[in-house]
Order: sequence, then structure tokens, then C-alpha cells
Amino acid sequence: QVQLQESGPGLVKPSQTLSLTCTVSGGSINSGGYYWSWIRQHPGKGLEWIGYVYYNANTLYNPSLGSRATISIDTSRNQFSLKLSSLTAADTAVYFCARGRYTYSYAFDYWGQGTLVTVSS
Amino acid sequence: QSALTQPASVSGSPGQSITISCTGTSSDVGAYKYVSWYQQHPAKAPKLIIYEVNNRPSGVSDRFSGSKSGNTASLTISGLQAEDEAHYYCSSYTTINTRIFGGGTQLTVL
Repeated sequence: QVQLQESGPGLVKPSQTLSLTCTVSGGSINSGGYYWSWIRQHPGKGLEWIGYVYYNANTLYNPSLGSRATISIDTSRNQFSLKLSSLTAADTAVYFCARGRYTYSYAFDYWGQGTLVTVSS
Repeated sequence: QSALTQPASVSGSPGQSITISCTGTSSDVGAYKYVSWYQQHPAKAPKLIIYEVNNRPSGVSDRFSGSKSGNTASLTISGLQAEDEAHYYCSSYTTINTRIFGGGTQLTVL
């Protein structure tokens, strides 16, 4: 059974950079067919796709975030990470990591439990 | 990219059927069969219930079904049960390879 677990700070100051890590267990992150993704949910709101990293380190991001988001992969640790720069209060959200599956037409079949990140001074 | 359009809320009585719509454009929902649906209970992670418009992952009840016509996808839940009360989100692959979600629909079981 694949499991994903987010980790990182719960409180970050405005203008700083958020760093989150997702640890994957029960399966290797170093295989094709899966898109290791970050998704966020603002308080009381809907889901917003941030971007993904593929096992070969290829990435794709939501255009609405401009160049603020960077997703990387560490296959030796079976982890992938998100960095989000120039934070504002609007970045306060629950951040989920998830696995997008090619054979499910890119649907997200496994999710982490989510981690709340608050941007405040 | 703008979020896909879903009704804010729907409701139904136990045993009834409800349908939630998800409207996009020819650049997302209308472009491919790559529409998925998620169920989210309060303070929980979303759970995949439909992929590729009308396919259910193993373990998901056959009371959940999906369809698509043009730029609009739909999720139908039949034989409503109290445990179905949750938020439901649609998602689509886009023509620029990104992913996009709907704004979500709160289902209330009366």
C-alpha cells in the first residue's frame, strides 16, 4: 500500500520561502507512469493544483503561480519536495502531496494527509 | 487557468440519486476523457472515486458513476447514503498538460 506523508513548517513569515517534503513509502518514486504532485486547499475553499515532478526530474507548474514554485525529486530518499517563494497571506493553505497515475488518465490515486501552512508575521 | 464550474451545493434524501455537474472548456473537459472525481470528508484528504470519466478504482462503490458530454462532465450517486455527505471535486487534464480542479460541491444527505 502506497503512503505519502508531508512534512515541513506550519508557520512561515511573509516574503520567505516555504519548503515542504513528501516522503513516499510502499512503492518506489523512481519509476515511470507516476506524476508526483503538490496540491493545495485554501481554508474553506477548493483544490488548486500546484505542479508535479516526474521520476526523471521533469516538472510542470500551474501557470498562475508564475515562477514561484519549484518541485524537485530525491529518488535516493524516495522523497519529493516543494519550494514556494515570495510568500503572502494568500498562500495560507493545506498542502497535499499526491500521486498522479498515467494509467488512470493522470488521476490522483494516493494522497498525503495534508499539512496546514500559515503565512503570518 | 480558471477553475472548472461546479454547483456549490446539492442535496438529496437517502435512497435517492443526485448528479453533480462539472463544466469546463474545449481546452480541458472537452478535450479528453481525462476527467476524475474526488470525495472529501471534513479534515480528510480527497479520495479518488472516478477516473477517466467513468471508471471506478478498486473498492469504490458502484453507486458512483460518471459521464461526459462536450465540455461538461457529471458525477451521479445513486442510492444515497448518509456516508456520502461530503465535498466532491472534479478534475481534468488540460491541453497544456496541466491539471485543473472544480470549485467543489457540498453534498448534503437530508
